[in-house]
Amino acid sequence: SAVISQKPSRDICQRGTSLTIQCQVDSQVTMMFWYRQQPGQSLTLIATANQGSEATYESGFVIDKFPISRPNLTFSTLTVSNMSPEDSSIYLCSVEDPDRPYGYTFGSGTRLTVV
Amino acid sequence: AQSVTQPDIHITVSEGASLELRCNYSYGATPYLFWYVQSPGQGLQLLLKYFSGDTLVQGIKGFEAEFKRSQSSFNLRKPSVHWSDAAEYFCAVGEAAGNKLTFGGGTRVLVKP
Repeated sequence: SAVISQKPSRDICQRGTSLTIQCQVDSQVTMMFWYRQQPGQSLTLIATANQGSEATYESGFVIDKFPISRPNLTFSTLTVSNMSPEDSSIYLCSVEDPDRPYGYTFGSGTRLTVV
Repeated sequence: AQSVTQPDIHITVSEGASLELRCNYSYGATPYLFWYVQSPGQGLQLLLKYFSGDTLVQGIKGFEAEFKRSQSSFNLRKPSVHWSDAAEYFCAVGEAAGNKLTFGGGTRVLVKP
């Protein structure tokens, strides 16, 4: 199955700054997904990223706050901009495994704390 | 819009006892259903999935789930839990291949010695 490397694994950031999270996959995938898991909560989809086109954002998430890049079929970044303590969450990327239909693989996540 | 409900926020079970986690979904067509486990400080691991065929699905770590269309349910079961099964379990529904997943709120399982 696909293997996802997500960096950084955790970070503590000052409010008002930005953090870019990287997601590298060991195989080519069509779509990559970015999720947020707030403390004690379930996962919520932020956006879907296709290579070569703008990401599609879910209701409640906007590009200015969460810009996403998808330069090729194995890599994507999510930036959390102008951070506030409310952005403290785990951010996870996910892909549909090209060798396992309907098998969605998740990265190990980035635990972000904003102080 | 699709939705997933996990009625039990916490479940405590004794080691060696059976475990059943409930999941109800709302979706107009045939859903793609998943169970994931998240151990403390870890990412999500797929336990099993259903998208067609036999409604009783076998997964990893001794887990199984049964799809019941009439009840819009996809409950997860394990006959005998181990201490290492203590984790958070998420049920999820997808619209189709390559599409987003909608997750339930999760059930935290505690295992007593």
